[in-house]
Amino acid sequence: DAGVIQSPRHEVTEMGQEVTLRCKPISGHNSLFWYRQTMMRGLELLIYFNNNVPIDDSGMPEDRFSAKMPNASFSTLKIQPSEPRDSAVYFCASSLNPTNEQFFGPGTRLTVL
Amino acid sequence: KNQVEQSPQSLIILEGKNCTLQCNYTVSPFSNLRWYKQDTGRGPVSLTIMTFSENTKSNGRYTATLDADTKQSSLHITASQLSDSASYICVVSGGDYKLSFGAGTTVTVRA
Repeated sequence: DAGVIQSPRHEVTEMGQEVTLRCKPISGHNSLFWYRQTMMRGLELLIYFNNNVPIDDSGMPEDRFSAKMPNASFSTLKIQPSEPRDSAVYFCASSLNPTNEQFFGPGTRLTVL
Repeated sequence: KNQVEQSPQSLIILEGKNCTLQCNYTVSPFSNLRWYKQDTGRGPVSLTIMTFSENTKSNGRYTATLDADTKQSSLHITASQLSDSASYICVVSGGDYKLSFGAGTTVTVRA
């Protein structure tokens, strides 16, 4: 199994631009999570999907952030417009069900100039 | 508020030496506690998981302990290797999808 796949691995963009991060969860996993990791705040849950349905988006910082999961094998996290304070590492994780071990992808390092 | 506190924030050890990392939590209810290892530029990977009834769990040279009464856990690394250089994150689950993450301890192993 290839594990959770994320793309791109690195993204550098200018303030105001739209950024789209992509995630392919492990096949058969019905729970998908988007996290943000910064030095100041550590790992924070942004949004949680179960069976492709957003269950908890209370961690999405602002309306500039949106996430979709059109099918069981693909999810996106979009930031529009991006700001320098969005610079962080964004992780996607998936699990067999909501309470099982979460497997993390390699992350996308986002830098907004 | 559910909190997970780890200490020390960072440590440096010589190759072959042992070290112990600490985790205190106030998460309630409690379901399980995991230690994750995060290599630089990678996502976290689970090392051990312990439930309420377990007080020790080993994974190779990694041994985790749990005292559910005092809400403390430790991760002991035996005979450290250069590949142990990483961040170690204590993660507590209350039984649903939400996890409480510690800030991590950065371990540097020097030859």
